[in-house]
Amino acid sequence: SQQGEEDPQALSIQEGENATMNCSYKTSINNLQWYRQNSGRGLVHLILIRSNEREKHSGRLRVTLDTSKKSSSLLITASRAADTASYFCATGQDSNYQLIWGAGTKLIIKP
Amino acid sequence: DAGVIQSPRHEVTEMGQEVTLRCKPISGHDYLFWYRQTMMRGLELLIYFNNNVPIDDSGMPEDRFSAKMPNASFSTLKIQPSEPRDSAVYFCASSLWRPGGEQFFGPGTRLTVL
Repeated sequence: SQQGEEDPQALSIQEGENATMNCSYKTSINNLQWYRQNSGRGLVHLILIRSNEREKHSGRLRVTLDTSKKSSSLLITASRAADTASYFCATGQDSNYQLIWGAGTKLIIKP
Repeated sequence: DAGVIQSPRHEVTEMGQEVTLRCKPISGHDYLFWYRQTMMRGLELLIYFNNNVPIDDSGMPEDRFSAKMPNASFSTLKIQPSEPRDSAVYFCASSLWRPGGEQFFGPGTRLTVL
């Protein structure tokens, strides 16, 4: 079942610009994770933010989490052509070893 | 570590044939997940194992699908008989014991059923 909904479904920006993707979810969570999928490849874990955290950074990535609104955003700064990929959010819960996945945002970086 | 290994990477078969997909998880990971990804349905969890035991197979679409994990380093997903609507990319992922933790994905098997 899918709990996360990414917004927008697709995003096309110029290289060097910032890209922002959003994720909304429905139930309480233990953590929220973002993954990247390059065309024809498996998903790669980018960053995990716990429910008691509000913001987290990793290199050019910045993730925020608002549990009151049940939403998260992923910001990629100074985008590069290599950032072209689909980005998925997934939520994890204490009581369940499954991750609940969103439908993904397709990001295209134009050179 | 080599990461999660899947084979074959591509499989083309005819309707009615048996298909077996294989997965080797990361050594030491207690959880193994099988997913299916299509354009229409996105990423779907089919089944997952903990210490080689199937925990939740509610995502397995039909009795034509079966999965086994005979030991900690090997799992199979079998489709018999295969149908064109089974065409998809099948991913295997593994993770450590903590609930809802990071999952490590294999490169996937692209299955085409003609």
